[in-house]
Amino acid sequence: DQQVKQNSPSLSVQEGRISILNCDYTNSMFDYFLWYKKYPAEGPTFLISISSIKDKNEDGRFTVFLNKSAKHLSLHIVPSQPGDSAVYFCAASVSTGANNLFFGTGTRLTVIP
Amino acid sequence: GAGVSQSPSNKVTEKGKDVELRCDPISGHTALYWYRQRLGQGLEFLIYFQGNSAPDKSGLPSDRFSAERTGESVSTLTIQRTQQEDSAVYLCASSLFRQGRAFFGQGTRLTVV
Repeated sequence: DQQVKQNSPSLSVQEGRISILNCDYTNSMFDYFLWYKKYPAEGPTFLISISSIKDKNEDGRFTVFLNKSAKHLSLHIVPSQPGDSAVYFCAASVSTGANNLFFGTGTRLTVIP
Repeated sequence: GAGVSQSPSNKVTEKGKDVELRCDPISGHTALYWYRQRLGQGLEFLIYFQGNSAPDKSGLPSDRFSAERTGESVSTLTIQRTQQEDSAVYLCASSLFRQGRAFFGQGTRLTVV
């Protein structure tokens, strides 16, 4: 049973435009959410996170939005750059519980120069 | 080292053989995760260790899979009687408890022929 879902396996965006990656979750106990970026032949690297007490967190070109009522989060990258081309995973955990991390299936972003 | 280290980086084994994968977490990280990523798939949770608590083994796909961790140090993932469907990249990650953000190793690419 997939508790974290990324329904778009791939996304292509022109350089300079906005990339929006989406993620949905089913477990209402999740209160901490993360985005990871993965290049081929490398392990995922942490990108940005958000706690459920917030609805937005921004770090440079990356912004994560959380809609708790819809159990939905999104990652916005603006402006998109060719180096952003990678697979993006969202993850969620219950910070007051066992703290296990549950991952989505990933979205492959391609930024076209 | 400063990061999560996994060995070997690549392993080719014959069907039916046993393999052992190693993970050295970041020093001081009490939480340790194993995931695998099959070709074209997302991150599949395998097992989670947190300090001296009983590990969460709910993701192990069969009784051919087992993992150990001694204290807060090295972990080994063992796959017995390997099958071709075990071919995947096996990723290890570690984190401080309740910090949420996990750091990944570069993975072990296992190929069963």
